[in-house]
Amino acid sequence: AQKVTQAQTEISVVEKEDVTLDCVYETRDTTYYLFWYKQPPSGELVFLIRRNSFDEQNEISGRYSWNFQKSTSSFNFTITASQVVDSAVYFCALSERNSGGYQKVTFGTGTKLQVIP
Amino acid sequence: GAGVSQSPSNKVTEKGKDVELRCDPISGHTALYWYRQSLGQGLEFLIYFQGNSAPDKSGLPSDRFSAERTGGSVSTLTIQRTQQEDSAVYLCASSLKGGGGVADTQYFGPGTRLTVL
Repeated sequence: AQKVTQAQTEISVVEKEDVTLDCVYETRDTTYYLFWYKQPPSGELVFLIRRNSFDEQNEISGRYSWNFQKSTSSFNFTITASQVVDSAVYFCALSERNSGGYQKVTFGTGTKLQVIP
Repeated sequence: GAGVSQSPSNKVTEKGKDVELRCDPISGHTALYWYRQSLGQGLEFLIYFQGNSAPDKSGLPSDRFSAERTGGSVSTLTIQRTQQEDSAVYLCASSLKGGGGVADTQYFGPGTRLTVL
């Protein structure tokens, strides 16, 4: 069963528009972490944010903001006033403990964002 | 400090040949992960190292794939008798603690793009 779902495969927006990338996850653990990564055309995944399951406070970092809602198992990512440099594939990931007691990170399939000038 | 490095950045090989991909994790990171990303796809987990041992090899797709890690640092992913379906970007990531460290953030290298002709 897919544990991290990013239903939006591709999104195109015009520069300066706001855009929200959706992420829905599934876990039976009470302690888990959620992440967002950015993969620009150069290919290297860049860590953006980590959020633990006990902290539902929304977080804002510049033009980026994240909305974590346990009630809907969602961890959505909003880019305000998008810029061309935001064009990338964005991955949501879930970190939990597997049956062997080790960290297991499951990635979503990614959302490709294209910001058109 | 230096990030995760991988070599080579690109590798073109003929079907049936063996290839070795190398990963140098961030200094001091005890956990190391290999992932595979096929064109336009998400990340597929391959193997996880804690120190020099591999407690989770569940993602290796066949016995043609193997990996080792020496000195708790450098890791080599070996693919024997390569097939065309092995063509992908192979990503390496490292994290500080790994096992049991659900909070750990994985930091990724730039990847090795493998093309099997």
